[in-house]
Amino acid sequence: EAQVTQNPRYLITVTGKKLTVTCSQNMNHEYMSWYRQDPGLGLRQIYYSMNVEVTDKGDVPEGYKVSRKEKRNFPLILESPSPNQTSLYFCASSIIAGGPPDTQYFGPGTRLTVL
Amino acid sequence: GENVEQHPSTLSVQEGDSAVIKCTYSDSASNYFPWYKQELGKGPQLIIDIRSNVGEKKDQRIAVTLNKTAKHFSLHITETQPEDSAVYFCAVLRDSNYQLIWGAGTKLIIKP
Repeated sequence: EAQVTQNPRYLITVTGKKLTVTCSQNMNHEYMSWYRQDPGLGLRQIYYSMNVEVTDKGDVPEGYKVSRKEKRNFPLILESPSPNQTSLYFCASSIIAGGPPDTQYFGPGTRLTVL
Repeated sequence: GENVEQHPSTLSVQEGDSAVIKCTYSDSASNYFPWYKQELGKGPQLIIDIRSNVGEKKDQRIAVTLNKTAKHFSLHITETQPEDSAVYFCAVLRDSNYQLIWGAGTKLIIKP
């Protein structure tokens, strides 16, 4: 089944404790992206990647890191989480095939709480 | 930069009636406008999209209209059903870096 998976689905942590949220897609998509979703703000892009070893900042990259060593994986790293990073996080992927990404396929989300 | 405004934030309609959600954007160079549906506990899912070379697109009970001059596009759902209850997001593709800019979302409630 074609899908985007994220782990963990739920995470409660404390300020300053490094964490990684994994994202994997099995559709051979070139484009991958991380969003955070907060009430009243919609989806805001954190980082995106057009292909392996190519990553760029989105609109809210502060406090986050990403890497794209393999096509299928795009982990999100919070080196020193803070309470303002409490949010619902989504990973998404899309095929590019020579043009801009269109349909984005989303993972099920990771609800993160930073105490 | 691109700004996308979505209205209303909540919409309650009687089952069987129509629902309309509207989005406005600021960058006249934008040319791709998708709509996503997010059900409770799930990630958003594309339901319909439109490109700037057409004014309207339909898929069964769902349609999207685009007015490039006025820089707004709308989602129309006819004969609403309980399974249409969800949060709907519009988005606009920023050409410069292929980034989607999202509206804040509309919670659609279908009353039985």
